[in-house]
Amino acid sequence: DIQMTQSPSSVSASVGDRVTITCRASQGITNWLAWYQQKPGKAPKLLIYAASSLQSGVPSRFTGSGSGTDFTLTVSSLQPEDFATYYCQQANSFPVTFGQGTKLEIK
Amino acid sequence: EVQLFESGGGLVQPGGSLRLSCAASGFTFSTYAMTWVRQAPGKGLEWVSAISGSGHKTYYADSVKGRFTISRDNSKNTLYLQMNSLRAEDTAIYYCAKEQNGDYVGSWFDPWGQGTLVTVSS
Repeated sequence: DIQMTQSPSSVSASVGDRVTITCRASQGITNWLAWYQQKPGKAPKLLIYAASSLQSGVPSRFTGSGSGTDFTLTVSSLQPEDFATYYCQQANSFPVTFGQGTKLEIK
Repeated sequence: EVQLFESGGGLVQPGGSLRLSCAASGFTFSTYAMTWVRQAPGKGLEWVSAISGSGHKTYYADSVKGRFTISRDNSKNTLYLQMNSLRAEDTAIYYCAKEQNGDYVGSWFDPWGQGTLVTVSS
């Protein structure tokens, strides 16, 4: 199975800050990577797919980049509604696997 | 608007069975692969199972293979997950989700249902 490792596990930031979350795959996955946002008590929401494509309706302050084994999710200017947990997911091969999550907290 | 609504969760004893349902609306159900993902309390996301639009191709995580069966009824726009020989470690919120890439199984998932809680305990 492909292991997905996110860092950091948690991060504190302020409204207006720029934040970057990284995701590393245990083997190359080209661009078969997605990012999700999950708020407490809610289902995950797709933000980015194919490593860098913005899902319809998602604000442009979210950007994804990377290919192969190393990927990043950047939020350019944090808004209050962005404080949540973020997961990466590889779709290169079965079983589909997720990173352990990164909790973005208000400083 | 695409909507997914799970049902069927509840409390079950170890070794017991449960069938989850996911009612879909707002899209042509039979043309999309579907998937189940679970989340144990306070933990991360774990993919469980997926099925092609026709229902002919199914996929399972090793942790549930031989115990869980995914199926669908395209005439009722409903996805199912039959869970047998349940264990304490199966306790989780179970989400159904629509595959983004049509009938391609195992890509990315959008949207997700609200989830249904399964608790396995004596």
